[in-house]
Amino acid sequence: DADVTQTPRNRITKTGKRIMLECSQTKGHDRMYWYRQDPGLGLRLIYYSFDVKDINKGEISDGYSVSRQAQAKFSLSLESAIPNQTALYFCATSAPDGNTGELFFGEGSRLTVL
Amino acid sequence: GEDVEQSLFLSVREGDSSVINCTYTDSSSTYLYWYKQEPGAGLQLLTYIFSNMDMKQDQRLTVLLNKKDKHLSLRIADTQTGDSAIYFCAEIDDMRFGAGTRLTVKP
Repeated sequence: DADVTQTPRNRITKTGKRIMLECSQTKGHDRMYWYRQDPGLGLRLIYYSFDVKDINKGEISDGYSVSRQAQAKFSLSLESAIPNQTALYFCATSAPDGNTGELFFGEGSRLTVL
Repeated sequence: GEDVEQSLFLSVREGDSSVINCTYTDSSSTYLYWYKQEPGAGLQLLTYIFSNMDMKQDQRLTVLLNKKDKHLSLRIADTQTGDSAIYFCAEIDDMRFGAGTRLTVKP
């Protein structure tokens, strides 16, 4: 089983709909992240959380919200989806300071907004 | 803000060496990373270098770091078709990734 699991893996929705992407991890890491990947732009950070009570905006947080329900769960919501949020979304985890900072990624959630 | 830049495409012949380049702006980066993304998959760490090192070698992979020029490179020796993927340069302190270099290896 994957250490970082994202659901759904694929989703097609319509403009204006509310969408939630979920992420769960079995690595025991405190730090969790949401990135989006667009061709030619690489990965851009949406939100990150260093522990259950800590939520921080990333580079492109507008139009998104997150919830850290537990150490192992971090969900990303699009309250009212728009077509330019069509992208591949990745959840990632990492161990705290003192380690190498390696990010462990899920397999991605492909979202299409029509 | 801080940025990480890399070229988008590289094409090589099987057996040749591949060199993927990256420039970054945050001089305080502790670690710099190379991630590999195969089609339909997430990113996996390929290798990393600590900021006080100039070079790191791991089998077919050589990472060179020029801190003065803020330039990082990844050399893959004897490139194989299985090396075809997107390679991302990343620095951890600002959690930033480059746009990714798509490496195509031709037989």
